[in-house]
Amino acid sequence: ETGVTQTPRHLVMGMTNKKSLKCEQHLGHNAMYWYKQSAKKPLELMFVYNFKEQTENNSVPSRFSPECPNSSHLFLHLHTLQPEDSALYLCASSQVESGETQYFGPGTRLLVL
Amino acid sequence: GNSVTQMEGPVTLSEEAFLTINCTYTATGYPSLFWYVQYPGEGLQLLLKATKADDKGSNKGFEATYRKETTSFHLEKGSVQVSDSAVYFCALNGAGKSTFGDGTTLTVKP
Repeated sequence: ETGVTQTPRHLVMGMTNKKSLKCEQHLGHNAMYWYKQSAKKPLELMFVYNFKEQTENNSVPSRFSPECPNSSHLFLHLHTLQPEDSALYLCASSQVESGETQYFGPGTRLLVL
Repeated sequence: GNSVTQMEGPVTLSEEAFLTINCTYTATGYPSLFWYVQYPGEGLQLLLKATKADDKGSNKGFEATYRKETTSFHLEKGSVQVSDSAVYFCALNGAGKSTFGDGTTLTVKP
């Protein structure tokens, strides 16, 4: 596999479910990101990890819980979501020292019922 | 803080038309500037970038020049194709932090 992969690509969940989104980067990067992309809204940065340490949390509700066990993997744990959380969740990675081009995965399309 | 303002869409053009999508930015220091493209059903991917004033980024017939005096990074293409239909995002990276514009949807009709 190359680049940034995300699983699952599609997810439907009820408001009481617990699920996790997975992201893996095969680029040797040291920073990873979660973004939320909703219809007709700007791209929203949710979390940033540099060298496995969380460096940014943009006032994201606690029902979203990130985990970065190593520099290649990033998870987003979901719990008791709301219908307005339905969106495309994008993962990205970059090499902090080299101009910060971000490489995005294809996203997970989430529908909360 | 940093900000990016790009031309509102949607933009609809006929094939072979000239494309301009305007982008201006506010940032301290000397940010790197980017255009990303998102095709339907996919994540964003880098289209081109420029890292210093007067640099021109180019790729797939698209060009953008880093203009520090006007704090702009407008995207241009001389002749668009149906396959260029996508959402285009202007972005900057300053002091290790990325800021994205709201995106401009381009539709090219045959």
